[in-house]
Amino acid sequence: NAGVTQTPKFQVLKTGQSMTLQCAQDMNHNSMYWYRQDPGMGLRLIYYSASEGTTDKGEVPNGYNVSRLNKREFSLRLESAAPSQTSVYFCASSPLRASSYEQYFGPGTRLTVT
Amino acid sequence: AQSVTQLGSHVSVSEGALVLLRCNYSSSVPPYLFWYVQYPNQGLQLLLKYTTGATLVKGINGFEAEFKKSETSFHLTKPSAHMSDAAEYFCAVSGYGNKLVFGAGTILRVKS
Repeated sequence: NAGVTQTPKFQVLKTGQSMTLQCAQDMNHNSMYWYRQDPGMGLRLIYYSASEGTTDKGEVPNGYNVSRLNKREFSLRLESAAPSQTSVYFCASSPLRASSYEQYFGPGTRLTVT
Repeated sequence: AQSVTQLGSHVSVSEGALVLLRCNYSSSVPPYLFWYVQYPNQGLQLLLKYTTGATLVKGINGFEAEFKKSETSFHLTKPSAHMSDAAEYFCAVSGYGNKLVFGAGTILRVKS
């Protein structure tokens, strides 16, 4: 099993450009999440999908959109990138079994917006 | 609402010394608690978790944590630090809607 995979690993954008970050998991998990990580701020939830067909906003959704394409895939789109979106982005998934809320993380996408 | 406070953004210990990383949480419901580790340029890896039952939880790489409800704490310990333990550690508490709320992280430095 590959676990959670993310593409690309690195990306540089100019202000105003758009891009989509891809995430896939092969663990048959129901829930998927997108976080951003900034120094000294831990991980902040951007959007999540509790199950296929549903998405909800997290703590910092402004400037982002998501698509839960199927049970395996959950993409994050930046429509018009801004320097404030320079960050490391992590995708995670969770089985959502009773007493098992742990999340499994991908390796991250390092995004720089100039 | 749930929240997590990690005391100390940076902790430095000598190799072989005790590691103690502090985590306090706030939760309006019985919490599930987690510690994750992040090595440089990698994703987060689960170290251990507390859901129900035994309050002393053992994890990977010799780490353990004790859930203390009266103190709302879930501190992470390891009796003897190794150079390979140098990483950033995150405490997290389960929130509503199957979400996790993370602390700001503690960077552990191990001196030889």
